[in-house]
Amino acid sequence: GDSVTQMEGPVTLSEEAFLTINCTYTATGYPSLFWYVQYPGEGLQLLLKATKADDKGSNKGFEATYRKETTSFHLEKGSVQVSDSAVYFCALRDSSYKLIFGSGTRLLVRP
Amino acid sequence: DGGITQSPKYLFRKEGQNVTLSCEQNLNHDAMYWYRQDPGQGLRLIYYSQIVNDFQKGDIAEGYSVSREKKESFPLTVTSAQKNPTAFYLCASTIPGDYGYTFGSGTRLTVV
Repeated sequence: GDSVTQMEGPVTLSEEAFLTINCTYTATGYPSLFWYVQYPGEGLQLLLKATKADDKGSNKGFEATYRKETTSFHLEKGSVQVSDSAVYFCALRDSSYKLIFGSGTRLLVRP
Repeated sequence: DGGITQSPKYLFRKEGQNVTLSCEQNLNHDAMYWYRQDPGQGLRLIYYSQIVNDFQKGDIAEGYSVSREKKESFPLTVTSAQKNPTAFYLCASTIPGDYGYTFGSGTRLTVV
């Protein structure tokens, strides 16, 4: 079945460092791909999405490019802030519109 | 503002009790979902409903039940058959198309 694999955390960075969180997927066809962010004690918020190969999703300085050839959707940010500390989830939408999530990657940004 | 409201935010259950978690949306979304999140883990799908009066089991439906009598509401009952119910429960909704889900703020259930 379809699945999503994320790099394990926690990822600890200093403020203004470059961020990459790896995400790869296994799916039939070409699913839409998403990144969600979860702050402590809250639900998930959609961060960005891409719906076809080579699409780049972007929001709040975060970017991710849909790479069909490597089945990847890595999340990047050029300069992280303390306020970016959260758990990040990669997800794909399967053919019946269900979202399948990765296990999440905790990001901790130190001042 | 439109959104999803989950209540209560915190819920305590005694052994052998059934409890019901509420999920209400005013987004006019057709599809609604319940996920379970355990500490340090991803989200696992419990049940989902794509139209009123219809729902399907997800990956971990045992010990849970749902109903979808109204488009706006998708309550989840955690029954006494669920042996390890302590978790964070998230409700979500969406419409067909290239859209993500809108999530509620979650209910944290603890067995005491």
